Amino acid sequence: GAVVSQHPSRVICKSGTSVKIECRSLDFQATTMFWYRQFPKQSLMLMATSNEGSKATYEQGVEKDKFLINHASLTLSTLTVTSAHPEDSSFYICSAMASVGETQYFGPGTRLLVL
Amino acid sequence: GNSVTQMEGPVTLSEEAFLTINCTYTATGYPSLFWYVQYPGEGLQLLLKATKADDKGSNKGFEATYRKETTSFHLEKGSVQVSDSAVYFCALANNAGNMLTFGGGTRLMVKP
Repeated sequence: GAVVSQHPSRVICKSGTSVKIECRSLDFQATTMFWYRQFPKQSLMLMATSNEGSKATYEQGVEKDKFLINHASLTLSTLTVTSAHPEDSSFYICSAMASVGETQYFGPGTRLLVL
Repeated sequence: GNSVTQMEGPVTLSEEAFLTINCTYTATGYPSLFWYVQYPGEGLQLLLKATKADDKGSNKGFEATYRKETTSFHLEKGSVQVSDSAVYFCALANNAGNMLTFGGGTRLMVKP
C-alpha cells in the first residue's frame, strides 16, 4: 500500500526557534498534501492544503506566516513552524493524495513540544 | 457545510464482544465515507471506505455500510480483540474527493 513518512517523529525545541517537519510519499507521487493538527484526545483539524508547485491554501484561523508550507516536489512537503511558542505544541500529521478523488494516506505524525 | 458526528467514547468492551460505533454525516451531494484508526502515538491508518450508497466497506473483520437514507456509516465488528484498542475516526470526502471532514473520534478500549 501507499506509504507516507514524516520526519522527525518527535521534536523538542526552545520557544522562539523554528522547526521544520518533512512529509514524504515514499511509493507514489502526491499532487496534493494536507497538514493537520491534533490536540490531545481531539480530532484532526485541517491546517492547510498544498499542491505541488503552488502556494498552500490555509484554513481559516491558521496563520500562513507562522506555519510555512512548501511543496517543492511530488514526493515532499515541508511544514515550518516559525518562532514556535508553547501553545504550538501539538501532534502534526500530514497526508498525501496521488490525485483528486483518490484516498488520502497519512503519515505517522510528528509530536512537537515547545519549551 | 459538511459535518460528521460520531458517538463519544470511550467505549469499553470485553474481548470477543460485538462492537458498534455510530457515525452520521451531513453533506451535499454524494460524499465518500471512511473509517480511519489511530493507534497510540501513531498517525491515522485507513481502515475501510465506501464510495456510494449501499456499498459495504470491510477490512480486518470490521465493516460499515453506506446508508444514504439514514446518512449513516456505522462501524461494526463481530468479535473485538485487545489489539483493536485504538481511536476510530469516521470521515467524509467532498464531491471532489480532496478534503476530508473528520468526526470527533471514538476511543475503543478492549479488555482481556
